[in-house]
Amino acid sequence: DAMVIQNPRYQVTQFGKPVTLSCSQTLNHNVMYWYQQKSSQAPKLLFHYYDKDFNNEADTPDNFQSRRPNTSFCFLDIRSPGLGDAAMYLCATSRGLAGAIGGDRETQYFGPGTRLLVL
Amino acid sequence: DQQVKQNSPSLSVQEGRISILNCDYTNSMFDYFLWYKKYPAEGPTFLISISSIKDKNEDGRFTVFLNKSAKHLSLHIVPSQPGDSAVYFCAASAIAAGNKLTFGGGTRVLVKP
Repeated sequence: DAMVIQNPRYQVTQFGKPVTLSCSQTLNHNVMYWYQQKSSQAPKLLFHYYDKDFNNEADTPDNFQSRRPNTSFCFLDIRSPGLGDAAMYLCATSRGLAGAIGGDRETQYFGPGTRLLVL
Repeated sequence: DQQVKQNSPSLSVQEGRISILNCDYTNSMFDYFLWYKKYPAEGPTFLISISSIKDKNEDGRFTVFLNKSAKHLSLHIVPSQPGDSAVYFCAASAIAAGNKLTFGGGTRVLVKP
């Protein structure tokens, strides 16, 4: 089945030790997103790629970086994880960003998430 | 400042009855609204959406109502089934913001047999 895959499902890292989370998709979608979801809170968009174009949210900390080497893969790099970065990280994809007023928008398809624990 | 709010963190309903989930938003630029459903250990999955030019959209047991003047939307599930037990997220987007989603905090629904 076409899907969004995230590896690993659980990641434990040490305070300050760089960590990389992985996302891959078989949907051949142009857009890939990374969200951070802390316990009992709303998923919060960190950044997204439209093809190779990177779009960072204004309030995303510099500690968070992303790479998209090809259409299928997107990585989230946390350069120096702090205790406050412990969260569920969700990857999502969409075919595009297009939409018309009054019309439907491109659906975002989510992966199962990676839960990050920082010790 | 939360632009999308789900004020009820949880909801318990008897099987066969109606579940009503509420969502409020503050940004008048939002013109498209969605509901996502999330089971434990899975990512959110798209459930139903509504454009701001409509006030109602129905898909099987799921109906979303939009009240633009009140900046309020609701999801009705009729009849509720045990498999509907999940966390439901309301989300909104603005075409001017390129389809980026702003999520509410979620409502956990428990449907009792």
